[in-house]
Amino acid sequence: EAGVTQFPSHSVIEKGQTVTLRCDPISGHDNLYWYRRVMGKEIKFLLHFVKESKQDESGMPNNRFLAERTGGTYSTLKVQPAELEDSGVYFCASSQPTGKLETQYFGPGTRLLVL
Amino acid sequence: GNSVTQMEGPVTLSEEAFLTINCTYTATGYPSLFWYVQYPGEGLQLLLKATKADDKGSNKGFEATYRKETTSFHLEKGSVQVSDSAVYFCALSRRANNLFFGTGTRLTVIP
Repeated sequence: EAGVTQFPSHSVIEKGQTVTLRCDPISGHDNLYWYRRVMGKEIKFLLHFVKESKQDESGMPNNRFLAERTGGTYSTLKVQPAELEDSGVYFCASSQPTGKLETQYFGPGTRLLVL
Repeated sequence: GNSVTQMEGPVTLSEEAFLTINCTYTATGYPSLFWYVQYPGEGLQLLLKATKADDKGSNKGFEATYRKETTSFHLEKGSVQVSDSAVYFCALSRRANNLFFGTGTRLTVIP
C-alpha cells in the first residue's frame, strides 16, 4: 500500500511569488490534514478535510493560504503571494475514520524556502 | 488551550545508553498522547500512543506512560541504537483529532 506522498519535496521561491503544494493521501482515506513546521518551532495544524469538505481550517494563518480537495482525493495548498515567514516544512497526513482515535499517516513533507 | 512542551535538543548518546526525552502537556479534559518519530528523509511515523491516564505505550523498545498527575508523557528506551537517530515529537490530540505537537528533539546515537 502506497503511503502519503507530497510534491514537490523542495521549493525555493522569491517573496511575492505563488507556490502550490500537493498531497496525495493513502487511497480510501477520507481525512486529510495539513500541518506546518516553521524552523525550530513546533509542528502546527493548518486544516482538516473530510472528503472534499473543510472540517476545520482554524489553523490557516491568513487569506494568502488556500487549500482545496476537489473530488475528495488529492489536496493542494496554494500560497499567494508568498512571504518570508511562510518558509518551513509543510506536512500532509491522512487517516481513515474509525469512530475512535485514528492514526494519522504522514507524508515526507515539502520544504519551502521563500527568499 | 492545548500545548506540548518537550525537552530541547539536540541529544547525543553513545550506543546502548539510556534515553529519556521529557514531554509535558497542557490540555483541557483528557487528551490522547503520542510520540512520533521522523527518520532522515522520511515522514513522521507514529511510534507509540496512550489514550488514558496510567496507560503505557510501547514500541521498538521505547516506552512512555501517561501521567495525569504530572501531565507528562516522557519517552524512554533502555538501550539506544544508531538506527534510533531521528527527530522525536511529542503530541496530543483532543476530540477533533487535530494533533498539537512539541518542537521536536533531535537524537543522535554514535557507535
